[in-house]
This record gives sequence, structure tokens and C-alpha cells, in this order.
Amino acid sequence: DTEVTQTPKHLVMGMTNKKSLKCEQHMGHRAMYWYKQKAKKPPELMFVYSYEKLSINESVPSRFSPECPNSSLLNLHLHALQPEDSALYLCASSPLGLGTYEQYFGPGTRLTVT
Amino acid sequence: GQQVMQIPQYQHVQEGEDFTTYCNSSTTLSNIQWYKQRPGGHPVFLIQLVKSGEVKKQKRLTFQFGEAKKNSSLHITATQTTDVGTYFCAARSGNTGKLIFGQGTTLQVKP
Repeated sequence: DTEVTQTPKHLVMGMTNKKSLKCEQHMGHRAMYWYKQKAKKPPELMFVYSYEKLSINESVPSRFSPECPNSSLLNLHLHALQPEDSALYLCASSPLGLGTYEQYFGPGTRLTVT
Repeated sequence: GQQVMQIPQYQHVQEGEDFTTYCNSSTTLSNIQWYKQRPGGHPVFLIQLVKSGEVKKQKRLTFQFGEAKKNSSLHITATQTTDVGTYFCAARSGNTGKLIFGQGTTLQVKP
């Protein structure tokens, strides 16, 4: 199984809502990532988990809260988002962390904040 | 911080023509990775280059890593409509180890 799955595929939320994005991989990878991608731009790193510990937080606003319950799962909790947070949110995993290995991306969650 | 510059931003070709995208860095890179993102899709890993002067081929795709490990290229021979998408290079940041993406080259192929 070389797949990273993400749910939901699409999400529309108001600025006062709380929602969560979920990501799962069963490749035994020990590094997992959250990226944000705006149209016609490259993926922008948000968080990196290595061996289930947060190793990189790219100065992301606290309205985004990551969680890694176990080595296969990664969540991104959303609260009080702004319209400019609308984007494609991509989860990725790699065998080990930090740019040495290829990353496998999930299909993404397309988020719209109204 | 470390940057990877990628050109061109867009390329329109007639089906059957060749295509090349280039990545450049002012600093020596430990590796370079290439990803393809189809319209409406997600990035998919294509290849990783590690050695100075390395050349790798995947069917019609040829990847090169410069001798000084500061530049890389992806060349597609005889493009097909299935090659449409955005091609990103990405390099490992020496300081943090995270992957730094180029801005991408979007390829359109006219049948």
C-alpha cells in the first residue's frame, strides 16, 4: 500500500467553526507533513512530525493545530480561520524525515473559508 | 533562506515537441527531487538525484544534476498530452533539512 489518504476531500467552513482534517498512511513511514498550497504556487510547508513528535512548525498561526495520535495518523485541527486560509491542504509522508527521502502526497483537502 | 529558482514559469508546446525546465541554486545542494502535479491533482514524486553530474532516465524523461550540484534540469522528449501538469523541483535545505520547492513550471501541450 503506497497510498496516503486524506479526508474530507472538500470542506467549507465559517470563520467561527471548528473542523479537523485527517490523514492516514500505512507505509510505515516515520515522517509526516502538512503543506498548504495556493493556486499556481508550490506547496508551502506548515508542520513536520518525525517519529510522532513535532519537529518543525513553520511559524504557523495558532488557529492551525496539528496532532499526531500515532505513526499512521496525522490531524490538522482548524479553528477561527480567515478567508485567506482557503487553499488546498496536502498531507505527505516519507520513510524518514527532512528532505532526504521522497515524499508521498495525499490527494489533499480543498478548504474554503467563508 | 535557501531558495531554488525554477524557469520557465509556463511553457506551451505542440505535441511531439521537446520540453525542458531548469532549477538553479546559489548554494550547493545535497540532493534534488522532481515532482509532477497534474491539474486538480497532488504532487507525485518522479525522481531524486544525489550525485554530481548524475543523469537518470525514465522513458521520455531525462533528469540531470549539475557537476557543481547547484542546478538541475528535466527534459521531456516528444511531449504527449499526458505530460500536461506542473513540474516542481525540490531540494533539501542544508540548515533545517526540510524540502524547499521551486516555483514550478506549468506545461501545456497542444494536440
